[in-house]
Amino acid sequence: EADIYQTPRYLVIGTGKKITLECSQTMGHDKMYWYQQDPGMELHLIHYSYGVNSTEKGDLSSESTVSRIRTEHFPLTLESARPSHTSQYLCASSGGKETQYFGPGTRLLVL
Amino acid sequence: AQSVTQLDSHVSVSEGTPVLLRCNYSSSYSPSLFWYVQHPNKGLQLLLKYTSAATLVKGINGFEAEFKKSETSFHLTKPSAHMSDAAEYFCVVSDGGDYGQNFVFGPGTRLSVLP
Repeated sequence: EADIYQTPRYLVIGTGKKITLECSQTMGHDKMYWYQQDPGMELHLIHYSYGVNSTEKGDLSSESTVSRIRTEHFPLTLESARPSHTSQYLCASSGGKETQYFGPGTRLLVL
Repeated sequence: AQSVTQLDSHVSVSEGTPVLLRCNYSSSYSPSLFWYVQHPNKGLQLLLKYTSAATLVKGINGFEAEFKKSETSFHLTKPSAHMSDAAEYFCVVSDGGDYGQNFVFGPGTRLSVLP
């Protein structure tokens, strides 16, 4: 079982609210990723990080932002949530090219 | 550039019959290949991976996959489907780069298992 955690697991919030989705891993992995996945659809990479103080945008444009101040922590923030942000957000980490380990995901519903 | 094609968006089998989920890839380098499974309302779980060792890879829950370079394929199989195998399956390719977002996901195949 991989040691990567996401909180909250479910979030229902009103339009315009600021939210932060938490992701932590205890494996000491340098690389971390955020994916967005709509129900029954493929994963889209929205952010990734090579290590501390490194963040990059992924293939899918997103209004969210990320930070990487500590190796184990890679939070994702939406400054003003909108219904179009409703989706599942999956965090992953990797120690190299070999394997990504995924968290359980956060299901976000913006009303 | 890498890419992954999962030839079937939905596969339906009867319990106890074989499962075949197809995956083809393209990669400029010697790739690593993965299969992940996602059950409803869950995160992704690694089923198996190929990283240039044996071409026939055995994974968890009785699944296995064979890397065929000549066919650029990495199909996932299981001899006998179980109801608990019903889920979404993703094929993933990663190239030889050590840095960067080098994991490319296929669109997924939904496996239904009929009683």
